[in-house]
Amino acid sequence: EPEVTQTPSHQVTQMGQEVILRCVPISNHLYFYWYRQILGQKVEFLVSFYNNEISEKSEIFDDQFSVERPDGSNFTLKIRSTKLEDSAMYFCASSDKRASYNEQFFGPGTRLTVL
Amino acid sequence: AQSVAQPEDQVNVAEGNPLTVKCTYSVSGNPYLFWYVQYPNRGLQFLLKYITGDNLVKGSYGFEAEFNKSQTSFHLKKPSALVSDSALYFCAVRDIYSGNTPLVFGKGTRLSVIA
Repeated sequence: EPEVTQTPSHQVTQMGQEVILRCVPISNHLYFYWYRQILGQKVEFLVSFYNNEISEKSEIFDDQFSVERPDGSNFTLKIRSTKLEDSAMYFCASSDKRASYNEQFFGPGTRLTVL
Repeated sequence: AQSVAQPEDQVNVAEGNPLTVKCTYSVSGNPYLFWYVQYPNRGLQFLLKYITGDNLVKGSYGFEAEFNKSQTSFHLKKPSALVSDSALYFCAVRDIYSGNTPLVFGKGTRLSVIA
């Protein structure tokens, strides 16, 4: 069964450093998402991406964040200058259709720790 | 605005007993409702969804959920719990007119099934 994959599984970085989190969505999917979960809190939406542009973003997704689909398979989330409060589990998701009744398929997550 | 509440952080149940994981939601229109499960070191896995029709929805691994519009609830149930059901469970909602906008998640309920 096809799966969304994410690398690395755990990233430790110093405050102020740039990080890139990588995702490989399911191959025939067209809609891509990043979510995050701070420890003990809700899973929160960051950004959605379709047709090589951002469809929607939350207020969390400020100028420090960017997304890119550099080739036909990868989908990346970049944080330019990490803050302590960026420490969280980051989930990538993809879906194949636009309709709101379609489920999204999630990767295993990248745990980001900012020191 | 859409929101989901999972009132229990932790649910403990003995193996073989029925289990219930609670979820209530708030949307301005009609909801699409989803349950996801997360096993250790794995991504969020789709379990089941309510779109329309029968209020009792059956999903993977013997789970089912009942949509109750008057109580705005979508509780997850299983008649006989297994130790392997121990995991983190997330309820999510979308308004049916929202297109492919992001899912709104609850904070998750940790289910522990004791042998």
